Amino acid sequence: EVQLVESGGGLVQPGRSLRLSCAASGFTFDDYAMHWVRQAPGKGLEWISDISWNSDTVAYADSVKGRFTISRDNAKNSLYLEMNSLRAEDTALYYCAKEAVVRGCFDYWGQGTLVTVSS
Amino acid sequence: EIVMTQSPATLSVSPGERATLSCRASQSVSSNLAWYQQKPGQAPRLLIFGASTRATGIPDRFSGSGSGTEFTLTISSLQSEDFAVYYCQQYDYWPPLTFGGGTKVEIK
Repeated sequence: EVQLVESGGGLVQPGRSLRLSCAASGFTFDDYAMHWVRQAPGKGLEWISDISWNSDTVAYADSVKGRFTISRDNAKNSLYLEMNSLRAEDTALYYCAKEAVVRGCFDYWGQGTLVTVSS
Repeated sequence: EIVMTQSPATLSVSPGERATLSCRASQSVSSNLAWYQQKPGQAPRLLIFGASTRATGIPDRFSGSGSGTEFTLTISSLQSEDFAVYYCQQYDYWPPLTFGGGTKVEIK
């Protein structure tokens, strides 16, 4: 059974940093690209970043480019999101998502970790 | 960036009736379109990819159609567990991957 478990969320002040983790199991982690998608309270879904299976290729939404860094450790079956210079508008539930066989869509999602940016 | 627009924002349907949800892309995305279902407090679930291919385990009352810029998700006979928010997402030209704003299907 595929499982994705996010952690690392919490309350953080504007301008500070936070590192999210996603522990994956139930599939061959290094066969798939992985993504982060967020959802602000009561709002829709926003893709923010992805990383290829071997970390060679990464991409970011403009809203987080230069502030967030995605990475992975295939030996640990883990995905990460380093978030710097956090803003109030980064407040959201952050999901990690496994890419499907079809590139660019997501066949499994974690339950999310909530990040709240507030003073 | 490809903008995805869903309509209506809210759809009120009685159990057993058909629901038809629309999604429009600001430019052609070919058939590179997915649909997700999200229930309150849950993560999204992949329903459809390739505009019309059901994901594993998705009941056949869910069907997708369309190509280019106009897409439809049809739920042929709504069950109680189908009341949720539905999102379309394009994966033709990215980054960024983009989602529609969602359609909430509620009980009439």
